[in-house]
Amino acid sequence: DIQMTQSPSSLSASVGDRVAITCQASQDISKYLNWYQQKPGKAPKLLIYDASNLETGVPSRFRGSGSGTDFTFTISSLQPEDIATYYCQQYDNFPITFGQGTRLEIK
Amino acid sequence: QVQLVESGGGVVQPGRSLRLSCAASGFTFSRYAMHWVRQAPGKGLEWVTVISYDGSNKYYADSVKGRFTISRDNSKNTLYLQMNSLRAEDTAVYSCARGGGHCTNGVCYILDSWGQGTLVTVSS
Repeated sequence: DIQMTQSPSSLSASVGDRVAITCQASQDISKYLNWYQQKPGKAPKLLIYDASNLETGVPSRFRGSGSGTDFTFTISSLQPEDIATYYCQQYDNFPITFGQGTRLEIK
Repeated sequence: QVQLVESGGGVVQPGRSLRLSCAASGFTFSRYAMHWVRQAPGKGLEWVTVISYDGSNKYYADSVKGRFTISRDNSKNTLYLQMNSLRAEDTAVYSCARGGGHCTNGVCYILDSWGQGTLVTVSS
């Protein structure tokens, strides 16, 4: 199975800060990586697909980059509504696997 | 708008069975692959299984292979998950998700819409 390692596991930042989360795959997954946001008590929401494509309706402050084994998710200017847990997900091979999640809090 | 509503969760004893349903609306159900993803209390997301748009291809996580069966009824716009030989470690919120975007053999991997989930608790 492909292991997805996210870091950090938790993050505290101030409103307006630039925030970055990394996701490392245990083998080359090309661009086959998605990012999801899950707010407390809510269903996950797709933000970024194929490593760098912004899902329709998602604010442009969210960005994804990377390919191969190393990927980065960034929020250019943190907003209060961005408080959530963020997950990466690979689909290069079965089983589909998720990172362990990054919990984002406001400082 | 896309709507996915799961049902069928509850408390069940170890070794027993349960069938979950996911009612879909707001899109052409028969054109999309569908996934089940679970989340144990306080834990992260775990992919469980996927079925192609026509039901011809199915894939499972090793943790449920041989015990869980995914199926769909495109005439009823409904996805199912039959769970047998349940274990304590199967306790989780089970969510269905629509698979879009990149596809292979009718299975698509970008989970672009999710239901709220139904809680399954396996306990004696």
